[in-house]
Amino acid sequence: AQSVTQPDIHITVSEGASLELRCNYSYGATPYLFWYVQSPGQGLQLLLKYFSGDTLVQGIKGFEAEFKRSQSSFNLRKPSVHWSDAAEYFCAVAIQGAQKLVFGQGTRLTINP
Amino acid sequence: KAGVTQTPRYLIKTRGQQVTLSCSPISGHRSVSWYQQTPGQGLQFLFEYFSETQRNKGNFPGRFSGRQFSNSRSEMNVSTLELGDSALYLCASSLDIFGGEQFFGPGTRLTVL
Repeated sequence: AQSVTQPDIHITVSEGASLELRCNYSYGATPYLFWYVQSPGQGLQLLLKYFSGDTLVQGIKGFEAEFKRSQSSFNLRKPSVHWSDAAEYFCAVAIQGAQKLVFGQGTRLTINP
Repeated sequence: KAGVTQTPRYLIKTRGQQVTLSCSPISGHRSVSWYQQTPGQGLQFLFEYFSETQRNKGNFPGRFSGRQFSNSRSEMNVSTLELGDSALYLCASSLDIFGGEQFFGPGTRLTVL
Protein backbone atom coordinates (compact mmCIF):
# COMPACT_ATOMS: atom_id res chain seq x y z
CA ALA A 1 0.00 0.00 0.00
CA GLN A 2 1.17 3.47 -0.71
CA SER A 3 2.25 5.73 2.15
CA VAL A 4 3.53 9.25 2.63
CA THR A 5 6.00 10.48 5.22
CA GLN A 6 6.52 14.06 6.22
CA PRO A 7 9.43 13.86 8.65
CA ASP A 8 8.99 17.32 10.11
CA ILE A 9 5.93 17.81 12.29
CA HIS A 10 6.67 21.46 13.01
CA ILE A 11 9.01 23.93 11.35
CA THR A 12 9.71 27.53 12.34
CA VAL A 13 11.36 29.95 9.96
CA SER A 14 11.86 33.69 9.93
CA GLU A 15 9.95 35.86 7.53
CA GLY A 16 11.97 36.29 4.35
CA ALA A 17 13.93 33.09 4.88
CA SER A 18 13.82 30.17 2.48
CA LEU A 19 11.71 27.10 3.17
CA GLU A 20 11.89 23.44 2.32
CA LEU A 21 9.30 20.92 3.49
CA ARG A 22 10.17 17.29 3.02
CA CYS A 23 7.94 14.54 1.66
CA ASN A 24 8.79 10.92 0.93
CA TYR A 25 6.38 8.44 -0.55
CA SER A 26 6.20 4.71 -0.91
CA TYR A 27 4.58 3.36 -4.04
CA GLY A 28 5.48 0.82 -6.67
CA ALA A 29 5.08 3.11 -9.63
CA THR A 30 5.11 6.85 -10.15
CA PRO A 31 2.05 8.20 -8.41
CA TYR A 32 0.34 11.48 -8.81
CA LEU A 33 1.83 13.83 -6.20
CA PHE A 34 0.26 16.83 -4.53
CA TRP A 35 0.96 19.50 -1.94
CA TYR A 36 -2.00 21.04 -0.11
CA VAL A 37 -2.12 23.84 2.44
CA GLN A 38 -4.64 24.20 5.24
CA SER A 39 -5.19 27.34 7.29
CA PRO A 40 -6.86 26.99 10.70
CA GLY A 41 -10.52 26.09 10.39
CA GLN A 42 -10.33 25.85 6.63
CA GLY A 43 -10.38 23.14 4.02
CA LEU A 44 -7.43 22.17 1.87
CA GLN A 45 -6.11 24.29 -0.96
CA LEU A 46 -3.99 22.75 -3.69
CA LEU A 47 -0.56 24.37 -4.02
CA LEU A 48 0.81 22.25 -6.84
CA LYS A 49 0.72 18.82 -8.42
CA TYR A 50 2.96 16.47 -10.36
CA PHE A 51 1.61 13.98 -12.85
CA SER A 52 4.44 13.54 -15.32
CA GLY A 53 6.98 15.46 -17.35
CA ASP A 54 9.20 18.18 -15.93
CA THR A 55 10.20 17.16 -12.43
CA LEU A 56 10.25 20.75 -11.15
CA VAL A 57 6.71 22.03 -10.83
CA GLN A 58 5.57 25.52 -10.06
CA GLY A 59 2.54 26.23 -7.94
CA ILE A 60 0.59 29.08 -6.51
CA LYS A 61 1.83 31.60 -3.94
CA GLY A 62 5.44 31.25 -5.14
CA PHE A 63 5.83 27.59 -4.15
CA GLU A 64 7.63 24.96 -6.19
CA ALA A 65 8.34 21.28 -5.70
CA GLU A 66 10.80 18.84 -7.19
CA PHE A 67 10.04 15.20 -7.89
CA LYS A 68 13.06 12.93 -7.41
CA ARG A 69 12.26 9.38 -8.42
CA SER A 70 15.54 7.96 -7.09
CA GLN A 71 14.78 9.31 -3.62
CA SER A 72 10.99 8.84 -3.75
CA SER A 73 10.72 12.45 -2.67
CA PHE A 74 8.60 15.44 -3.55
CA ASN A 75 9.92 18.33 -1.46
CA LEU A 76 8.20 21.69 -1.36
CA ARG A 77 10.23 24.88 -1.51
CA LYS A 78 9.77 28.61 -1.35
CA PRO A 79 12.64 31.09 -1.66
CA SER A 80 11.23 33.68 0.72
CA VAL A 81 8.36 33.06 3.13
CA HIS A 82 5.74 35.58 4.15
CA TRP A 83 3.86 35.72 7.44
CA SER A 84 0.73 34.64 5.57
CA ASP A 85 2.39 31.31 4.73
CA ALA A 86 1.90 30.14 8.32
CA ALA A 87 -0.35 27.10 7.99
CA GLU A 88 -0.27 23.32 7.87
CA TYR A 89 1.09 21.69 4.75
CA PHE A 90 0.16 18.24 3.52
CA CYS A 91 1.85 16.09 0.94
CA ALA A 92 -0.39 13.53 -0.76
CA VAL A 93 -0.19 10.77 -3.35
CA ALA A 94 -2.82 9.20 -5.54
CA ILE A 95 -2.71 6.08 -7.60
CA GLN A 96 -2.92 6.96 -11.26
CA GLY A 97 -6.52 6.67 -12.26
CA ALA A 98 -7.94 6.83 -8.77
CA GLN A 99 -9.29 9.64 -6.68
CA LYS A 100 -8.18 8.25 -3.33
CA LEU A 101 -5.58 10.55 -1.80
CA VAL A 102 -3.15 9.24 0.80
CA PHE A 103 -1.87 12.07 2.96
CA GLY A 104 1.20 12.56 5.07
CA GLN A 105 0.79 13.62 8.68
CA GLY A 106 1.36 17.25 7.81
CA THR A 107 3.96 19.86 8.68
CA ARG A 108 2.93 22.87 10.69
CA LEU A 109 4.76 25.99 9.59
CA THR A 110 5.29 28.90 11.96
CA ILE A 111 6.73 32.19 10.75
CA ASN A 112 8.78 34.38 13.07
CA PRO A 113 8.51 38.10 12.35
CA LYS B 1 -18.02 29.43 -10.11
CA ALA B 2 -19.03 28.44 -6.58
CA GLY B 3 -16.71 26.13 -4.70
CA VAL B 4 -17.51 22.95 -2.83
CA THR B 5 -20.08 23.58 -0.14
CA GLN B 6 -20.65 21.48 2.94
CA THR B 7 -23.51 21.65 5.38
CA PRO B 8 -23.73 21.99 8.24
CA ARG B 9 -20.41 23.57 9.14
CA TYR B 10 -20.63 22.59 12.79
CA LEU B 11 -22.53 19.81 14.50
CA ILE B 12 -22.76 18.56 18.06
CA LYS B 13 -24.19 15.12 18.72
CA THR B 14 -24.23 12.65 21.58
CA ARG B 15 -22.99 9.08 21.58
CA GLY B 16 -25.36 6.63 19.95
CA GLN B 17 -27.01 9.19 17.69
CA GLN B 18 -26.63 9.25 13.95
CA VAL B 19 -25.65 12.13 11.70
CA THR B 20 -25.89 13.04 8.03
CA LEU B 21 -23.47 15.42 6.38
CA SER B 22 -24.03 16.98 2.99
CA CYS B 23 -21.67 18.00 0.20
CA SER B 24 -22.45 19.94 -2.99
CA PRO B 25 -19.62 19.67 -5.53
CA ILE B 26 -18.49 22.32 -7.94
CA SER B 27 -20.90 22.58 -10.84
CA GLY B 28 -19.96 20.05 -13.51
CA HIS B 29 -17.88 17.89 -11.19
CA ARG B 30 -19.03 14.29 -11.06
CA SER B 31 -16.63 12.75 -8.57
CA VAL B 32 -16.97 13.29 -4.83
CA SER B 33 -14.64 11.98 -2.14
CA TRP B 34 -14.89 12.17 1.63
CA TYR B 35 -12.08 12.38 4.17
CA GLN B 36 -11.93 12.36 7.95
CA GLN B 37 -9.38 14.57 9.69
CA THR B 38 -8.44 14.03 13.33
CA PRO B 39 -5.39 15.16 15.33
CA GLY B 40 -4.37 11.58 16.01
CA GLN B 41 -4.96 9.88 12.67
CA GLY B 42 -4.57 12.82 10.32
CA LEU B 43 -6.40 12.83 7.00
CA GLN B 44 -7.96 9.52 6.10
CA PHE B 45 -9.92 8.57 3.00
CA LEU B 46 -13.50 7.49 3.65
CA PHE B 47 -15.05 6.87 0.24
CA GLU B 48 -15.34 8.07 -3.33
CA TYR B 49 -18.39 8.34 -5.52
CA PHE B 50 -18.78 8.81 -9.24
CA SER B 51 -22.05 8.74 -11.15
CA GLU B 52 -23.93 7.59 -8.04
CA THR B 53 -21.61 4.59 -7.59
CA GLN B 54 -19.15 4.04 -4.79
CA ARG B 55 -15.79 3.36 -6.42
CA ASN B 56 -13.51 3.14 -3.43
CA LYS B 57 -13.94 2.78 0.30
CA GLY B 58 -11.43 3.41 3.04
CA ASN B 59 -10.82 1.31 6.11
CA PHE B 60 -13.73 2.48 8.23
CA PRO B 61 -16.44 0.45 9.97
CA GLY B 62 -19.82 -0.11 8.39
CA ARG B 63 -21.29 2.64 10.56
CA PHE B 64 -19.89 5.01 7.96
CA SER B 65 -21.87 5.10 4.75
CA GLY B 66 -22.50 7.45 1.90
CA ARG B 67 -24.35 8.01 -1.28
CA GLN B 68 -24.37 10.25 -4.31
CA PHE B 69 -27.37 11.63 -6.07
CA SER B 70 -28.01 12.14 -9.76
CA ASN B 71 -27.05 15.82 -9.46
CA SER B 72 -23.66 14.71 -8.00
CA ARG B 73 -24.48 15.99 -4.53
CA SER B 74 -23.33 13.58 -1.88
CA GLU B 75 -24.22 12.71 1.68
CA MET B 76 -22.40 10.69 4.26
CA ASN B 77 -23.99 9.11 7.27
CA VAL B 78 -22.50 7.94 10.53
CA SER B 79 -24.71 5.78 12.70
CA THR B 80 -24.31 4.94 16.38
CA LEU B 81 -21.84 7.74 16.96
CA GLU B 82 -18.80 7.17 19.14
CA LEU B 83 -16.59 9.73 20.85
CA GLY B 84 -13.83 8.87 18.39
CA ASP B 85 -15.94 10.01 15.48
CA SER B 86 -15.34 13.61 16.51
CA ALA B 87 -13.47 15.05 13.56
CA LEU B 88 -13.44 17.45 10.66
CA TYR B 89 -15.12 15.77 7.71
CA LEU B 90 -13.93 17.08 4.37
CA CYS B 91 -15.55 16.63 1.01
CA ALA B 92 -13.65 17.01 -2.25
CA SER B 93 -14.91 17.13 -5.80
CA SER B 94 -13.23 16.63 -9.14
CA LEU B 95 -14.26 16.61 -12.77
CA ASP B 96 -13.63 12.96 -13.34
CA ILE B 97 -12.03 9.86 -11.90
CA PHE B 98 -8.64 9.96 -13.57
CA GLY B 99 -6.55 11.25 -10.69
CA GLY B 100 -7.09 14.91 -11.41
CA GLU B 101 -7.15 17.80 -9.02
CA GLN B 102 -9.56 17.56 -6.13
CA PHE B 103 -11.15 20.70 -4.75
CA PHE B 104 -11.94 20.63 -1.06
CA GLY B 105 -14.81 22.15 0.84
CA PRO B 106 -14.41 23.90 4.21
CA GLY B 107 -15.49 20.79 6.10
CA THR B 108 -18.04 19.90 8.73
CA ARG B 109 -16.76 19.91 12.30
CA LEU B 110 -18.52 17.09 14.16
CA THR B 111 -18.27 16.92 17.94
CA VAL B 112 -19.60 13.83 19.70
CA LEU B 113 -20.30 14.22 23.43
